[in-house]
Amino acid sequence: QKEVEQNSGPLSVPEGAIASLNCTYSDRGSQSFFWYRQYSGKSPELIMSIYSNGDKEDGRFTAQLNKASQYVSLLIRDSQPSDSATYLCAVNSGNQFYFGTGTSLTVIP
Amino acid sequence: GAGVSQSPSNKVTEKGKDVELRCDPISGHTALYWYRQSLGQGLEFLIYFQGNSAPDKSGLPSDRFSAERTGGSVSTLTIQRTQQEDSAVYLCASSLVARPGGATQYFGPGTRLTVL
Repeated sequence: QKEVEQNSGPLSVPEGAIASLNCTYSDRGSQSFFWYRQYSGKSPELIMSIYSNGDKEDGRFTAQLNKASQYVSLLIRDSQPSDSATYLCAVNSGNQFYFGTGTSLTVIP
Repeated sequence: GAGVSQSPSNKVTEKGKDVELRCDPISGHTALYWYRQSLGQGLEFLIYFQGNSAPDKSGLPSDRFSAERTGGSVSTLTIQRTQQEDSAVYLCASSLVARPGGATQYFGPGTRLTVL
């Protein structure tokens, strides 16, 4: 079983819609959770970090964490074509960071 | 510079040759990570350095791979006798501290390695 699992997509949403990206993880001891955005040919860029259960909002982005269900999600409101990228979920367990394989998002103008 | 830097940005080499990839972390960051990302794949952990502690080498795929970090700052990843399957983007990341509760990793631009 992979440490971090994501639906690879592709996920397509129309411009202005809400994009919902999901991630599950296997290690119940994980304490920190991150979402990175990666444009094609570029390195990952941090979007959000979340450490406690519940929602964390930053602009158009909301991260949601449910440790009991071992589930973390990212909502992107008012999606823009510039949001089209691969979104990587990362989980910190001890000194290690485990990454999912990413979900490809396309926002259609 | 303010961010993580890596060099070279691109490296093309012939099978069997050795290569060295360099990473300059963000100043003051004590933790440094190397990852490999093959085309269309996720990030594969290679090695982790934290301060003066012994590195975590558990992700290195073979003994052809090694890394060092001098003076707690710059790191070099060396691949000996390169093989075609080593072709990938090698990413370096640093964080202020690595501990349970975590600290955010910041990535460099990567080195794209092509082994012919």
